Amino acid sequence: DSGVTQTPKHLITATGQRVTLRCSPRSGDLSVYWYQQSLDQGLQFLIQYYNGEERAKGNILERFSAQQFPDLHSELNLSSLELGDSALYFCASSVVDSQQFFGPGTRLTVL
Amino acid sequence: AQSVTQPDIHITVSEGASLELRCNYSYGATPYLFWYVQSPGQGLQLLLKYFSGDTLVQGIKGFEAEFKRSQSSFNLRKPSVHWSDAAEYFCAVGAPNAGNMLTFGGGTRLMVKP
Repeated sequence: DSGVTQTPKHLITATGQRVTLRCSPRSGDLSVYWYQQSLDQGLQFLIQYYNGEERAKGNILERFSAQQFPDLHSELNLSSLELGDSALYFCASSVVDSQQFFGPGTRLTVL
Repeated sequence: AQSVTQPDIHITVSEGASLELRCNYSYGATPYLFWYVQSPGQGLQLLLKYFSGDTLVQGIKGFEAEFKRSQSSFNLRKPSVHWSDAAEYFCAVGAPNAGNMLTFGGGTRLMVKP
């Protein structure tokens, strides 16, 4: 158990819908990262937040957005969902720029 | 931009045999380097990491990796593989001073023959 929690574990939805994935980092970790793992693209970095502020952005679509709240939990919002958005979404947390601890992931299926 | 190549998509070894998984990276300076393991349906577990110092790094489950700057490599090794090591292995490079976002290789799926 890494100490990072993600909810829900599984999510099944339809094209065009919007979903929110939630992540609670390890106690004391200020950085939260989001990654997407798909068969097509492999593991890709999406976005990083540090203490509530966006710090780095990767290959994140405009339909996707994220935020980190004052209690440091983070949410990844995915809208206008397409079949190709089906993937495993991981959250990771770390103390500043160091080892990242990964959550168990949320498996999103878009039908 | 940083990148990671894992040349072997699949590797099959016999139980008890030695293992080496290859990883080559591209990064402008000295990177942070990681190996993660993912079992089916599971998250990513860190096996070992290199930040600086001794280039031979020991990890969990009997794994080790060696950072070779001249070859831009960070190969993972284990002297004797167990059936429970069957999983997918990912090499990753992190960018110090840039949030340490990780760039992953494509992964190597390890199968272990009895």
